[in-house]
Amino acid sequence: LAKTTQPISMDSYEGQEVNITCSHNNIATNDYITWYQQFPSQGPRFIIQGYKTKVTNEVASLFIPADRKSSTLSLPRVSLSDTAVYYCLVGGTGGFKTIFGAGTRLFVKA
Amino acid sequence: SQTIHQWPATLVQPVGSPLSLECTVEGTSNPNLYWYRQAAGRGLQLLFYSVGIGQISSEVPQNLSASRPQDRQFILSSKKLLLSDSGFYLCAWRRDRGFENTIYFGEGSWLTVV
Repeated sequence: LAKTTQPISMDSYEGQEVNITCSHNNIATNDYITWYQQFPSQGPRFIIQGYKTKVTNEVASLFIPADRKSSTLSLPRVSLSDTAVYYCLVGGTGGFKTIFGAGTRLFVKA
Repeated sequence: SQTIHQWPATLVQPVGSPLSLECTVEGTSNPNLYWYRQAAGRGLQLLFYSVGIGQISSEVPQNLSASRPQDRQFILSSKKLLLSDSGFYLCAWRRDRGFENTIYFGEGSWLTVV
């Protein structure tokens, strides 16, 4: 399993763009990169998933460089409701274990 | 569509009492199932995972156990709870087909051992 490293916490202000980077130096060829968001007293929920280059959906963008040893979750124009813990997960098909890292606590201030 | 339910949502149990948390998944077959625990303000700790009926893998030695009596049912149990068992317990499932490896979580169960 590829181990991931993320910043423990980040602060931002409403309306700013937030970029959270995750390092995964030993990512395997068939591993995908998935990001989750967790609010207090709730289970994590899927945000975005990618394999290489850039993926964008209605919530976020995911940037993955050519070597795939890191990835960056980009949240455009955050609001107070984006205050949450964000987890980066790396794994592929057939990997039954799904282990979450410590995540990044994002605090969005008014 | 697929749904996952777990219950009870909250419970307060005395030390030494038994525990049973249940989780069911609907709308899919042969899912991978997981139990996680999250202490207050901490990360997710994988406790058990299962790839099929009766197949349980334990990640952390403890006084908890898990069982999968049916394809879409996952149960977390304890014979005697400890104070350290308090936390937020999450059941999850994952479809392991093709490149789909997204994991989906239940609503969670808050356990307070007193």
